Amino acid sequence: DAGITQSPRYKITETGRQVTLMCHQTWSHSYMFWYRQDLGHGLRLIYYSAAADITDKGEVSDGYVVSRSKTENFPLTLESATRSQTSVYFCASMSDPRAQAFFGQGTRLTVV
Amino acid sequence: KQEVTQIPAALSVPEGENLVLNCSFTDSAIYNLQWFRQDPGKGLTSLLLIQSSQREQTSGRLNASLDKSSGRSTLYIAASQPGDSATYLCAPIRGGTYKYIFGTGTRLKVLA
Repeated sequence: DAGITQSPRYKITETGRQVTLMCHQTWSHSYMFWYRQDLGHGLRLIYYSAAADITDKGEVSDGYVVSRSKTENFPLTLESATRSQTSVYFCASMSDPRAQAFFGQGTRLTVV
Repeated sequence: KQEVTQIPAALSVPEGENLVLNCSFTDSAIYNLQWFRQDPGKGLTSLLLIQSSQREQTSGRLNASLDKSSGRSTLYIAASQPGDSATYLCAPIRGGTYKYIFGTGTRLKVLA
């Protein structure tokens, strides 16, 4: 199916565990993003990427790692999950800064 | 650092009313601005994209305007319907970057 998909949709993990959230888009968009959404904070940028093998930190990147070996995939890894990383995570992509951004359906992560 | 404010934070109106959602941003050197809709538990859907060279953009009952110099954008919804109930987010993207910075949104409820 065309579009941008995130997996899993829901995840419960324990404090200290490593967890990876997946993001896949079928348009070959150059730009991809990870945001987290929390009550009272809105959407905050974690990491972004302008192309394969080019990534950069956003405003809340501590504790997260990304990779982008292929244009269509942009996985986000929590190296050692903490309760403060309980959130809804959204992946997004766009072809160009002048174009629309498209968002995935989100992954609800709970760290216990 | 770009800061985005949306007023009001929440709005409840009877069906059929015309309404205006406001967005202000502190850095006027933006590339474009996008308005999104988010339904509960869902991802974001792009509604309108306004390029920095444009003053407004229309799609159906939605009209968005942009005044870069004053750091403001408004989303006008004509003849509101219960199906318009959602959270509306604005997000400017700064020139020279490709990162969207989000406001905290306006939560709209249209009563039948």
